[in-house]
Amino acid sequence: GQNIDQPTEMTATEGAIVQINCTYQTSGFNGLFWYQQHAGEAPTFLSYNVLDGLEEKGRFSSFLSRSKGYSYLLLKELQMKDSASYLCAVRGSNYQLIWGAGTKLIIKP
Amino acid sequence: DARVTQTPRHKVTEMGQEVTMRCQPILGHNTVFWYRQTMMQGLELLAYFRNRAPLDDSGMPKDRFSAEMPDATLATLKIQPSEPRDSAVYFCASVGPEAFFGQGTRLTVV
Repeated sequence: GQNIDQPTEMTATEGAIVQINCTYQTSGFNGLFWYQQHAGEAPTFLSYNVLDGLEEKGRFSSFLSRSKGYSYLLLKELQMKDSASYLCAVRGSNYQLIWGAGTKLIIKP
Repeated sequence: DARVTQTPRHKVTEMGQEVTMRCQPILGHNTVFWYRQTMMQGLELLAYFRNRAPLDDSGMPKDRFSAEMPDATLATLKIQPSEPRDSAVYFCASVGPEAFFGQGTRLTVV
């Protein structure tokens, strides 16, 4: 079967760094996406990795290891507005997007 | 993401009525997904299209839901007849090299 695993919930402190992990087992791999979703809003695109390595975009970075079926999203200099759910999705064979259940990130002052 | 347009943003309807939701994907993107999301569940895939052809609609209740893509600029999701359990937020996602979501249609069936 196909599955994507993420922690259900994480807590971090404002100003700190947090790493959200995502492991996947899919039939085929054509890229991995990370999204941020605030309650009541649409998911917002954060990053896309198709090759191994680290992609940095401001305070957010995303890492991919295809051989390990593993990715992480790294958030630096955490702000209260970063409190949200973070969704990992893999584009598998047949162009389908397979979604993790999301990680709820709680930022405390 | 504002470049994917969904209409209407909100819809309140009575049970038994037809509901049509529309999505205008990003020009040049050739894959469109329809998802449903409730408070209790994550993103639930309903259907998706590639180059306007349906690839998978196994997530949809076939007796009441239908999805079409009459042209490259429009994808539609219809529910007929609607039921209270259909109340949810319906998202479309436009996928090219990257994938962007519309703002969603919040459907309430009373």
